[in-house]
Amino acid sequence: QSALTQPASVSGSPGQSITISCTGTSSDVGGYNFVSWYQQHPGKAPKLMIYDVSKRPSGVFDRFSGSKSGNTASLTISGLQAEDEADYYCSSYTGSATWVFGGGTKLTVL
Amino acid sequence: QLQLQESGPGLVKPSETLSLTCTLSGVSVSSSISYWGWIRQPPGKGLEWIGSIHYSGSTYYNPSLTGRVTTSIDTSKNQFSLKLFSVTAADTGVYYCARHAGPTTTFDYWGQGTLVTVSS
Repeated sequence: QSALTQPASVSGSPGQSITISCTGTSSDVGGYNFVSWYQQHPGKAPKLMIYDVSKRPSGVFDRFSGSKSGNTASLTISGLQAEDEADYYCSSYTGSATWVFGGGTKLTVL
Repeated sequence: QLQLQESGPGLVKPSETLSLTCTLSGVSVSSSISYWGWIRQPPGKGLEWIGSIHYSGSTYYNPSLTGRVTTSIDTSKNQFSLKLFSVTAADTGVYYCARHAGPTTTFDYWGQGTLVTVSS
C-alpha cells in the first residue's frame, strides 16, 4: 500500500485558481470513486473538503471542487484567498475497508 | 455535535506498547453506521491510516502495520482504543482518532490529535 503521489508544493495569487493532483493506481484512485481531500492548517486536525471525488460537505465553499480521470484525482481551488494557505491531502479507498493518503501538498498564497 | 478526544501517554519507550484512547461525545460508539479510525502524522510528514474498527467487532488495518496493531471498543465508556506494539522512533508523531460513516465513506469527524514521542 504505497502513498498516493501529490506535488510537494503549489502556489497562486489571490483570486487565481490552482489545481492539486493526486496520482495513484487502478487499485485505489482508479478503482473506486471514493477519493477525498483534506485541508490542514498548522497545528490543526485535517478538515474534510471533498469526498466521493467531487462532493462537498455542508459548509465548504463551492470554490473547492474535485474531479478524477483514470488514476489521477484533482482538487481545484478557484478565487484563491489568503485563508486557503494550508497543506492539502488526498485519500482513497483501497478496498476491504482500507485507506491510503497522499504525501500532502503545501499551498502558498502569494 | 459529534466530538472526539484522544488521550494517552505522550512519551513511550522504544520496544514498548503505545496505547491511546478516543472518547466520544454526541454519538454512541455503538452506532451501526459509524466506523472508528486511527490516523497518524510523523513530524513534518504526511498522514498515514493505521486502522479502523466497527462496533460489531470488525477490524481493518494498514497492511504495513498488521501484526503490530490492535483496536478495541469499550461501549460502557463510549470509547475506542489503539495499541501499537514494539514501537520505534519511526512511530513518533501526532495520532488522530476519526470517524467514517461506513467502510467506503471517508473520515468526516476528527479529534484534535495527540503527540506521541518514542524515546528512551
